[in-house]
Amino acid sequence: DAMVIQNPRYQVTQFGKPVTLSCSQTLNHNVMYWYQQKSSQAPKLLFHYYDKDFNNEADTPDNFQSRRPNTSFCFLDIRSPGLGDTAMYLCATSRDDPTDTQYFGPGTRLTVL
Amino acid sequence: DAKTTQPNSMESNEEEPVHLPCNHSTISGTDYIHWYRQLPSQGPEYVIHGLTSNVNNRMASLAIAEDRKSSTLILHRATLRDAAVYYCILSSFGTSYGKLTFGQGTILTVHP
Repeated sequence: DAMVIQNPRYQVTQFGKPVTLSCSQTLNHNVMYWYQQKSSQAPKLLFHYYDKDFNNEADTPDNFQSRRPNTSFCFLDIRSPGLGDTAMYLCATSRDDPTDTQYFGPGTRLTVL
Repeated sequence: DAKTTQPNSMESNEEEPVHLPCNHSTISGTDYIHWYRQLPSQGPEYVIHGLTSNVNNRMASLAIAEDRKSSTLILHRATLRDAAVYYCILSSFGTSYGKLTFGQGTILTVHP
């Protein structure tokens, strides 16, 4: 059974049109992460939630926001997507243990036209 | 965050062992060494992690140098399914949870 689910798997949006990506988990993990992975690059952490505490990376653009209404769900909102936001967006979860595995979802491939 | 250095790419033949090196000369005493891999069109998946001692699991072995400045991921018998990008990552247990900073990784090609 899938443990980290991302919807949709593929999303196409227009320049400047807000878009929301969804992530859900069945692992009951405290920590949820959002990564951006552009073509042929490594995943780059955007932000993460430790329970309800939001932690933004210093270089994450303000255009990217996130919501975590409960333990199971986390959303990535892109308020005004630009062409440079075309990428794979990966959600991951872990327990609050620095040695614990991060479990990744399959990703949402976002294309901005 | 302490950085890691890996070769851009490596090649192997099917059913042969593969040794994937990683240098982390600025590693601190609180850093764990993690390996993840990413198969084409999938999210990364955990492979193995360790602190000081060598580690084995069903997927691979991790050999850690005595000074901890380098490590090697060992796939004992490569299969075509092992073709992926392999990431060596350090995370510190100085924080309460493990934040991963991915480097560029090694692209492993496995030939039939």
